[in-house]
Amino acid sequence: EPEVTQTPSHQVTQMGQEVILRCVPISNHLYFYWYRQILGQKVEFLVSFYNNEISEKSEIFDDQFSVERPDGSNFTLKIRSTKLEDSAMYFCASSGGQLNSPLHFGNGTRLTVT
Amino acid sequence: AQTVTQSQPEMSVQEAETVTLSCTYDTSESDYYLFWYKQPPSRQMILVIRQEAYKQQNATENRFSVNFQKAAKSFSLKISDSQLGDAAMYFCAYRSAYSGAGSYQLTFGKGTKLSVIP
Repeated sequence: EPEVTQTPSHQVTQMGQEVILRCVPISNHLYFYWYRQILGQKVEFLVSFYNNEISEKSEIFDDQFSVERPDGSNFTLKIRSTKLEDSAMYFCASSGGQLNSPLHFGNGTRLTVT
Repeated sequence: AQTVTQSQPEMSVQEAETVTLSCTYDTSESDYYLFWYKQPPSRQMILVIRQEAYKQQNATENRFSVNFQKAAKSFSLKISDSQLGDAAMYFCAYRSAYSGAGSYQLTFGKGTKLSVIP
């Protein structure tokens, strides 16, 4: 069964540094998402991406965040200047084009900002 | 904005027994989708079951079933014959059927941690 893959599984970075989290969504999916889960808290929506542009974003997704689909397969989340509070699990997800299509999640990238 | 509430932070169940996890949601919409996701210690998010709001019949997937009460805005998950591998965080999630912005994003509850006792 096709799956969403994320790399790296764990990223440690220093405060103020830029990080890029990478995702390969399921190939025939049309919608792509990033979610964040701070340890012990609920999963929070960051951004959705469709037709090569952001279709929706939350208030968490401020100017330090950006997303890109640089080629036909990768979907990246860039955090420009990381802060301690950016430490979290970041999940990429993708879904098909129908309303009842569930989101398929990757295994997540654990980001630790020191 | 829609909200999803899971009132049980933690639950436990004896192996082979049945457990029900509760979820309520708040929405003014009439059409939407509801999901249960499982997050084991590996942290992966795994879809367990989904329900379309326009369907009266409760969804079932093997040992997992839901009790969907639309009027009460309740969407509980029942796990029958619990197994050790069912131990995980369980998240209830809501998705609107009205997506003018071209997004089908999910709104999650805070989760219920399920422990299975051998």
